[in-house]
Amino acid sequence: NAGVTQTPKFRVLKTGQSMTLLCAQDMNHEYMYWYRQDPGMGLRLIHYSVGEGTTAKGEVPDGYNVSRLKKQNFLLGLESAAPSQTSVYFCASSWKGNYGYTFGSGTRLTVV
Amino acid sequence: AQSVTQPDIHITVSEGASLELRCNYSYGATPYLFWYVQSPGQGLQLLLKYFSGDTLVQGIKGFEAEFKRSQSSFNLRKPSVHWSDAAEYFCASSSSGGSYIPTFGRGTSLIVHP
Repeated sequence: NAGVTQTPKFRVLKTGQSMTLLCAQDMNHEYMYWYRQDPGMGLRLIHYSVGEGTTAKGEVPDGYNVSRLKKQNFLLGLESAAPSQTSVYFCASSWKGNYGYTFGSGTRLTVV
Repeated sequence: AQSVTQPDIHITVSEGASLELRCNYSYGATPYLFWYVQSPGQGLQLLLKYFSGDTLVQGIKGFEAEFKRSQSSFNLRKPSVHWSDAAEYFCASSSSGGSYIPTFGRGTSLIVHP
């Protein structure tokens, strides 16, 4: 089925460990985004990309890095995980910025 | 900076009753406006969007929303709520220029009583 696929769905990390979250979309969308969702905070934009090879910082970029080497993939990296990064992470994509998003089903990350 | 306010954190309705979820935005020009729904454990799904034209917008699952420029509002409505509508609802807005990155409200949790 067409859409946005996030892997993994769940992950537990120890403080200081690193990991990469993968987002893949098969809709040929130009724009891709990483958000985190925390209770009472809504969605906060971490990083986004407006095309292959481009990335930009969002509202809460510290502690995260991203790469968009291929148009269909957008990777989110945590170099040294901290408990404050415990959250649900959502990837989204859109054809253009104002056409509405298609979201993945999320990755629940716990840092202990 | 843009902001989106959803004044109600929780809304409780009885099944079959009508529903209105409030959303107010702050932006000088006509914004692009969206409503999303998030079922438990799922990502967000786009319900409807407003760009221009007719201020009453129809969406999926029987939802509609009305853009009122004078009130800076984009309220979501449904005439008869079903138990399956219980979810979190997010309003979002973006500008018609620049990066088009939307600002999301903090969400309204809808509880449906049988």
